Amino acid sequence: DAGVIQSPRHEVTEMGQEVTLRCKPISGHNSLFWYRQTMMRGLELLIYFNNNVPIDDSGMPEDRFSAKMPNASFSTLKIQPSEPRDSAVYFCASQRGGNMNTEAFFGQGTRLTVV
Amino acid sequence: DAKTTQPNSMESNEEEPVHLPCNHSTISGTDYIHWYRQLPSQGPEYVIHGLTSNVNNRMASLAIAEDRKSSTLILHRATLRDAAVYYCILRQSNSGYALNFGKGTSLLVTP
Repeated sequence: DAGVIQSPRHEVTEMGQEVTLRCKPISGHNSLFWYRQTMMRGLELLIYFNNNVPIDDSGMPEDRFSAKMPNASFSTLKIQPSEPRDSAVYFCASQRGGNMNTEAFFGQGTRLTVV
Repeated sequence: DAKTTQPNSMESNEEEPVHLPCNHSTISGTDYIHWYRQLPSQGPEYVIHGLTSNVNNRMASLAIAEDRKSSTLILHRATLRDAAVYYCILRQSNSGYALNFGKGTSLLVTP
């Protein structure tokens, strides 16, 4: 398996533009997590899904952020409008099952720069 | 709501064993102890996890105290490639099965 695939790997955009980050989980995994990482705040859990349904979105910073999982093999994280403070590395992770007794696999991340 | 406490940094010599401590005094009976690490410029990587008993895998060993209020990740023979930030995480039943990262321990391995 190719692992968790995120695209793009790097994104540079201007303030105010819409940004869409994409994630393809490992086949057969039915839980998916989105994280944001900055030097100041570390790794923050934004939202996670189980069987395509959002379980907890309490980490989503504000209404400018939205995440969808239209099917088991694809998820998006959208920021509209983007702001410079959204600059960070965004990670997607997936795991088999919705439980604590299993491991999560992370993608390589998308480095977002908003200028 | 930090559930675990780890030293900010540790240093080890190459080919020596490394013991990374973690305190989790508020752990409940159904909470799992997970360890992940993050190498520079990469996504986090699973290392090991356990509930009550000590665990071994090809990467490391996890020693869990009898009262479960602390645990230790053991790298039996550190290599330069093991230099990373190591995160000790409680996966708790009262927070779904969220994987919430703290600040972790930055491990430096010197030749």
